[in-house]
Amino acid sequence: DIQMTQSPSSLSASVGDTVTITCRASQGIRKDLGWYQQKPGKAPERLIFEAATLQTGVPSRFSGTGSGTEFTLTITGLQPEDFATYYCLQHSSYPRTFGQGTKLE
Amino acid sequence: QLQLQESGPGQVKPSETLSLTCSVSGTSIDTSAYYWAWIRQPPGKGLEWIGTIYHGGTTYYTPSLENRLSISMDTSNNQISLKLNSVTATDTAMYFCTRSLMVAGREFGRWGQGTLVTVSS
Repeated sequence: DIQMTQSPSSLSASVGDTVTITCRASQGIRKDLGWYQQKPGKAPERLIFEAATLQTGVPSRFSGTGSGTEFTLTITGLQPEDFATYYCLQHSSYPRTFGQGTKLE
Repeated sequence: QLQLQESGPGQVKPSETLSLTCSVSGTSIDTSAYYWAWIRQPPGKGLEWIGTIYHGGTTYYTPSLENRLSISMDTSNNQISLKLNSVTATDTAMYFCTRSLMVAGREFGRWGQGTLVTVSS
């Protein structure tokens, strides 16, 4: 199974800040990685697929980079609605695995 | 407009079978354009993929649940079903139904609102 190690587990930031979240895969997954945002009491929503492609409707302050085993999600200029929990997901192989999550507060 | 609506008993006793349904509207599930998955989230914890079903019936399950889990499609009612046998307290979670496109990278693009299942006597 591919393990996804996501860091940090929590992140304290302010409106206007730039933050970066990292996911590391235990083996190479090409660009088979997505990033998801979850707000309290809601279902997750996909922000980015194929490591770097923004989902339609997602603000351009979100960006993703990486391939192989190292991936990052960057939010440039945090907005109040961005304070949420973020997860990475590898879909290179089964079983699918999520990172542990990063709570942005 | 696509909608995924999970439904289930809310509470299940230990050792019993959990049965959940994902009712899909706005699109037919009887197409190879999509595949479907269940993901769960214990209270206060992270997301766990538990299984996927493709059009044609091919399934993949998370290894820890493989011997207790079954996912199926009911095309006549446009529903995806989940059955989990011999539940314990560790199966208490919000269960989400998701749709993915059969296009590279489009995993779990649409989610239902989830249904909370509590395992308790």
